[in-house]
Amino acid sequence: KQEVTQIPAALSVPEGENLVLNCSFTDSAIYNLQWFRQDPGKGLTSLLLIQSSQREQTSGRLNASLDKSSGRSTLYIAASQPGDSATYLCAVDAAGNKLTFGGGTRVLVKP
Amino acid sequence: DAGVIQSPRHEVTEMGQEVTLRCKPISGHNSLFWYRQTMMRGLELLIYFNNNVPIDDSGMPEDRFSAKMPNASFSTLKIQPSEPRDSAVYFCASSFGQGATEAFFGQGTRLTVV
Repeated sequence: KQEVTQIPAALSVPEGENLVLNCSFTDSAIYNLQWFRQDPGKGLTSLLLIQSSQREQTSGRLNASLDKSSGRSTLYIAASQPGDSATYLCAVDAAGNKLTFGGGTRVLVKP
Repeated sequence: DAGVIQSPRHEVTEMGQEVTLRCKPISGHNSLFWYRQTMMRGLELLIYFNNNVPIDDSGMPEDRFSAKMPNASFSTLKIQPSEPRDSAVYFCASSFGQGATEAFFGQGTRLTVV
């Protein structure tokens, strides 16, 4: 059974600092890995999707890496801003469209 | 496109009542998912449809839960009878294709059963 873990559960950084969010998964046989952002009381917004054949994916200040062999993904957010404060979730698709989510990392960027 | 649309946004009901949650996926998407989010268990997949057919309902917690997708643009999740432990945020998501595709989520329905 696929298990996804995100550590730390919460993170607080001063504005301008780079954010590093970690995600680990137990079964390396995956289709893809997706990073989401969730604001309080809101739905999930897809940030990046990395296919199993890719090593990384970039969008603006966001960069996500994937190392299937070690079961790890890292989301980097450069030059953090207060607007980046949210919960970040990673999800692994290991069965064709069936996402298993981590518990999330709650991020606070202080002005 | 307006994205995945869920209704209602909030629902408060008494224990024992029937609850129906609704979802309109993104036009052209052929996969639809219902998830439940709680503080204790995080996000869990309840059921997954592909081309309106239920593919995997192993996450549906009990027989009190049922889901239907009568056509490509509409799905319902029904709880009958509801119990306080069903209180959670229920999300609907849709995607195009099967496998290795990006999922788009609705805003969710916050259900409170008192």
